[in-house]
Amino acid sequence: DAKTTQPTSMDCAEGRAANLPCNHSTISGNEYVYWYRQIHSQGPQYIIHGLKNNETNEMASLIITEDRKSSTLILPHATLRDTAVYYCIVPPNAGGTSYGKLTFGQGTILTVHP
Amino acid sequence: DTAVSQTPKYLVTQMGNDKSIKCEQNLGHDTMYWYKQDSKKFLKIMFSYNNKELIINETVPNRFSPKSPDKAHLNLHINSLELGDSAVYFCASSPSGALETQYFGPGTRLLVL
Repeated sequence: DAKTTQPTSMDCAEGRAANLPCNHSTISGNEYVYWYRQIHSQGPQYIIHGLKNNETNEMASLIITEDRKSSTLILPHATLRDTAVYYCIVPPNAGGTSYGKLTFGQGTILTVHP
Repeated sequence: DTAVSQTPKYLVTQMGNDKSIKCEQNLGHDTMYWYKQDSKKFLKIMFSYNNKELIINETVPNRFSPKSPDKAHLNLHINSLELGDSAVYFCASSPSGALETQYFGPGTRLLVL
């Protein structure tokens, strides 16, 4: 798997944008970047994914650098309910498939405060 | 109308016992997974099944045996439970063509005494 590196923790004020960085310098050309989060005592939740273009959905935006070696997940208006562990994952792409094998690292603990 | 459900939510048992955790998804997905999250919060994949066929089998003790009676269900049976099996077990499912977009259940908290 392409190894990912994320800060251990971040803080954000409610209503402000939360920008969560991820380094994945060993990513291959056909490997996607996925973001999940895990709110306390709940199962992980898919947020967004991308290959090389920026992506946006109802939850977040994903900005991937041109060289694809890093990305940033953006929560545009963070709320208290966004407090969670955020995981950046690059699944392997062996023969065109990862078989769904997600490797969760330590992630970034995002704390949104009032 | 829960998408991925697990039973039981909590399971407390003695060492040496055999227990099962059930998982059901009503999303119509073909692929299902079991993950284990230990006390240090690391989440690791254990198994995945696609249309009742085992696809991923990570280095998991033989005491763990997944069973898929149909593509909507993936149960996890654990024999001879050990203290180190205490963890939270998550079931997940994903659609064909988007295996990395997984929907997780609420987890089963297993405590072995």
